[in-house]
Amino acid sequence: EVQLVESGGGLVQPGGSLRLSCAASGLTVSSNYMSWVRQAPGKGLEWVSVIYSDGSTYYADSVKGRFTISRDNSKNTLYLQMNSLTPEDTAVYYCARDFPRSFDYWGQGTLVTVSS
Amino acid sequence: QSALTQPASVSGSPGQSITISCTGTSSDVGGYNLVSWYQQHPGKAPKLMIYEVYKRPSGLSDRFSGSKSGNTASLTISGLQAEDEADYYCCSYAGSNTFYVFGTGTKVTVL
Repeated sequence: EVQLVESGGGLVQPGGSLRLSCAASGLTVSSNYMSWVRQAPGKGLEWVSVIYSDGSTYYADSVKGRFTISRDNSKNTLYLQMNSLTPEDTAVYYCARDFPRSFDYWGQGTLVTVSS
Repeated sequence: QSALTQPASVSGSPGQSITISCTGTSSDVGGYNLVSWYQQHPGKAPKLMIYEVYKRPSGLSDRFSGSKSGNTASLTISGLQAEDEADYYCCSYAGSNTFYVFGTGTKVTVL
């Protein structure tokens, strides 16, 4: 059974940083395309970033230059380093397997709140 | 890249069929057969219902079906049931610059 478990969310001040983790079991992170998708409170879904199995990384324009996606193959874990956070980054962040071109496995999400 | 356009709400009685539309452009929905649909219950993670326009994940009810015509994709739920009450989002691949665009979301209410 595939499980994705996010952690690392919390309250951070504007301009601050946070690193999210997504621990996987039942699938190998390095062999799959893995994405982060976020959802602001009461709003819709927004794709954030993807890392391909070959290590290539891509970002939504809204986070480019501020967020970095990475993985630790030994820990089978996906990460999202978020810098220069603004209130507009407040959301539940989900990690998901990119099938590819659709998202078939999702974590339960971790809430990031950017506020002073 | 703008979000794909979905109706804010759709409702139906148990046993009826409903259809949710998802309108994009030739750069996303119309340009690729890579539309997917997600069901999301309150406080839960999204669940994949349809991928590549019309394909169903293994084990998913055949009451859910997908289609596409031009720049508009559609999700049809037949034999509506109480547990189908949820938010539904479409998503399209939009090329190697934008990658993915989600729809605005549709709240389905079972009357």
